[in-house]
Amino acid sequence: DVKVTQSSRYLVKRTGEKVFLECVQDMDHENMFWYRQDPGLGLRLIYFSYDVKMKEKGDIPEGYSVSREKKERFSLILESASTNQTSMYLCASNPRQGPETQYFGPGTRLLVL
Amino acid sequence: AQSVTQPDIHITVSEGASLELRCNYSYGATPYLFWYVQSPGQGLQLLLKYFSGDTLVQGIKGFEAEFKRSQSSFNLRKPSVHWSDAAEYFCAVEGYGGSQGNLIFGKGTKLSVKP
Repeated sequence: DVKVTQSSRYLVKRTGEKVFLECVQDMDHENMFWYRQDPGLGLRLIYFSYDVKMKEKGDIPEGYSVSREKKERFSLILESASTNQTSMYLCASNPRQGPETQYFGPGTRLLVL
Repeated sequence: AQSVTQPDIHITVSEGASLELRCNYSYGATPYLFWYVQSPGQGLQLLLKYFSGDTLVQGIKGFEAEFKRSQSSFNLRKPSVHWSDAAEYFCAVEGYGGSQGNLIFGKGTKLSVKP
């Protein structure tokens, strides 16, 4: 059974803190994605990665960075958290050769105070 | 640019009634289309997908969707809704060119089910 896990379900941080959100998939997928989800806005792509050490900006990369040092792990970094980054963050993965279903993790709900 | 429109933000249906959730897409070539469902506080689960072939696609939990190229639509249907279907539903299309593998999502339709 396919599995995408995220390190935390809920996270509370203070403004200015550096925040790491971790995502791990066990399906040997090449592609991994980070989205944020806000009410009324749907899912918006932050960054994605096609391979180890590769990254591409999505629609809303400002204020975020990513790291992919191993194929199975894709980290989202908030360099200096701000209150407008309070959101639900979803990770997904799929194989490189498309079209293919994206498999999602359970999400991390981040609150920045 | 590709886009997905879900015209209904919130729909309420009675348990046992039929359901249709609308999805329209903007895309220049043959689209790859998806419907996902999200229960409260959870990630997204794939309901069904259309890549090619038969335009009526069957999915999990008794859902189906019909691809209509002439109307640029991919509406989701269920003949009889159960209370457990209350959730948010997202339609998505796969990007092309440099965005291959990415999904463009609609803003979602929240489904409430009345007893």
